[in-house]
Amino acid sequence: GAVVSQHPSWVICKSGTSVKIECRSLDFQATTMFWYRQFPKQSLMLMATSNEGSKATYEQGVEKDKFLINHASLTLSTLTVTSAHPEDSSFYICSAGGPLSQPQHFGDGTRLSIL
Amino acid sequence: RKEVEQDPGPFNVPEGATVAFNCTYSNSASQSFFWYRQDCRKEPKLLMSVYSSGNEDGRFTAQLNRASQYISLLIRDSKLSDSATYLCVVNKAGAGSYQLTFGKGTKLSVIP
Repeated sequence: GAVVSQHPSWVICKSGTSVKIECRSLDFQATTMFWYRQFPKQSLMLMATSNEGSKATYEQGVEKDKFLINHASLTLSTLTVTSAHPEDSSFYICSAGGPLSQPQHFGDGTRLSIL
Repeated sequence: RKEVEQDPGPFNVPEGATVAFNCTYSNSASQSFFWYRQDCRKEPKLLMSVYSSGNEDGRFTAQLNRASQYISLLIRDSKLSDSATYLCVVNKAGAGSYQLTFGKGTKLSVIP
């Protein structure tokens, strides 16, 4: 069964709306979670690393004020896309995992469409 | 050079065929290597980790050549259900990093 749960799976909203996406680790504690974005026919691009109890680490070119990340507990990280615009429409996926040699487990992803 | 580079395909093969995918990575400090598969509009799912000695899981064989920074995936006796995009994945930096870098993927279509 799923070990990482992501919600919602699909969001359609108007331009200017803020959208919150949740990522939960179901049967393990995740001090680190990752947020990715994937545009059509492109690879997954790491947006940020979410660290429990501290600030997220953002990849170059990702606006931290636009993509707010909160990792308040060992099982939950949230990504809020603030004042979303059509160019933010994408597939957002979170992941969590264990030590270096173990693979990441991915959430089901959230398909965000901004009209 | 891209961090992880794959032939995008598509590879269109008949059922029962053997198909091989290649991948190169640029960071010689990378320690962990994986193949994931991604179905259309779905999240990636781990297919197999790749070990230095090479490893096999049923019809799937993965190889790693650290000197050449090259990874391969061989699929034997292709099934229709193997149709997907195969992602070569490498950890982002040196040992201790959990961050992953994904290739753009190689699309496979297995044809009846």
